[in-house]
Amino acid sequence: SQQGEEDPQALSIQEGENATMNCSYKTSINNLQWYRQNSGRGLVHLILIRSNEREKHSGRLRVTLDTSKKSSSLLITASRAADTASYFCATGGDAGNMLTFGGGTRLMVKP
Amino acid sequence: KAGVTQTPRYLIKTRGQQVTLSCSPISGHRSVSWYQQTPGQGLQFLFEYFSETQRNKGNFPGRFSGRQFSNSRSEMNVSTLELGDSALYLCASSLKAINTGELFFGEGSRLTVL
Repeated sequence: SQQGEEDPQALSIQEGENATMNCSYKTSINNLQWYRQNSGRGLVHLILIRSNEREKHSGRLRVTLDTSKKSSSLLITASRAADTASYFCATGGDAGNMLTFGGGTRLMVKP
Repeated sequence: KAGVTQTPRYLIKTRGQQVTLSCSPISGHRSVSWYQQTPGQGLQFLFEYFSETQRNKGNFPGRFSGRQFSNSRSEMNVSTLELGDSALYLCASSLKAINTGELFFGEGSRLTVL
């Protein structure tokens, strides 16, 4: 079963705009990660934020984590057409390398 | 450094048959985990192996099994295939024993059951 939900399920924006995706989860976590998937292909790791961190940046990506609300958000600034993909949040606990994924947000960036 | 390699990339089977999928992790990675991705259920964890031992198992029936070899390569097997087993099966490898970093995913094996 999935850990939580992602919101929105689909997002369509113009190039240059910012894209924000939200993720909620249910249980306590060790860390939260965001992955990207181009249509029908493997997942690519974007960023990891630990449970004791509140915000993290990587290039055009900004991730926030609110453990009290069990939620996270991914912001992609100045979106490009190449950012078109599905984005998944995944939570990791203490059980090895098992990740629990959200349902994903399908992002379309129009040129 | 070569990435995670999954074979075959595409395959078609009929109900009742069995299938074996293979995953070669990144060199030096000892943890291999498997995920099933379907439109209806999303990404679901199947199992994880570390140093030839299954450490975690997801909520899947016993028809789904796996193993890991001494060179860290892993295989998963699905017996008595059902239509609902049609999915993209993703393998991921990790250097560390516990989740302190990213998982590296392969391109997946797309299974169609007719």
